[in-house]
Amino acid sequence: DSGVTQTPKHLITATGQRVTLRCSPRSGDLSVYWYQQSLDQGLQFLIHYYNGEERAKGNILERFSAQQFPDLHSELNLSSLELGDSALYFCASSVATWGPNTEAFFGQGTRLTVV
Amino acid sequence: AQSVSQHNHHVILSEAASLELGCNYSYGGTVNLFWYVQYPGQHLQLLLKYFSGDPLVKGIKGFEAEFIKSKFSFNLRKPSVQWSDTAEYFCAVNFGNEKLTFGTGTRLTIIP
Repeated sequence: DSGVTQTPKHLITATGQRVTLRCSPRSGDLSVYWYQQSLDQGLQFLIHYYNGEERAKGNILERFSAQQFPDLHSELNLSSLELGDSALYFCASSVATWGPNTEAFFGQGTRLTVV
Repeated sequence: AQSVSQHNHHVILSEAASLELGCNYSYGGTVNLFWYVQYPGQHLQLLLKYFSGDPLVKGIKGFEAEFIKSKFSFNLRKPSVQWSDTAEYFCAVNFGNEKLTFGTGTRLTIIP
C-alpha cells in the first residue's frame, strides 16, 4: 500500500458524460500528479499540483481539468467524454516539488471505461 | 526533446534466467532515474531509484540497475528471475522539471 488513495477504482460511463476522479495523497505530501495510462499512449503526464497551485501541465485536453483542495486531496474532472478517454488514470504524490531525492508514490488507479 | 526509451517491448524468459532490460534517455543534464514495476491489475511500485553517488543501485526483490552517464542509460538487471516477476516494467526519469517522464514499458513474461 503506497498510502495514495484513489476513488473510484472502476468507472463506466457513456460518451458525452462528465466524471470526477478523486485522489488523496500520502499523509504529509504536498504534491499531486495525474497520469493517464492507455494502451496506445503509455503513461502520459497530465498535470501537477503543489499545495493547491498548478505547477505544470502536460498532455491534458481542454475537456479535462483538475484542482487541489486545502486538505490537499485532488480531483480530476473529465467532461464531454469520448471513447478514446477510456484509460487507467493514476494519481501520484510526493513530499514537495521535484528536486534532488524526490520520489513519487502511485495510487491504485481509476479504470475509466467510456461506452 | 527529453525522452525515455525502452527498446524491449516484450521479453520472455524461463525461470532462473538472467534479466537485463534497457533504458536510455535523451538529456545531458542532471537526472533522477527510477524503475517501477506494475503487476497485472495493480498500481506502479517503485523498484529502485538513482539520485547520485554509486551508479550501481540495488532495489527490492533482488533487482539492481546501473547508471552509465556516458551512455545515458539506466539498465535494470536481475541475476535469476522467478515466475512472480511477470509484470510490466517502466523506466522513468525526472529531467529537473515538474514531472516524471516514463518509457513505454517492457512486458516481462516468465515461463515456469
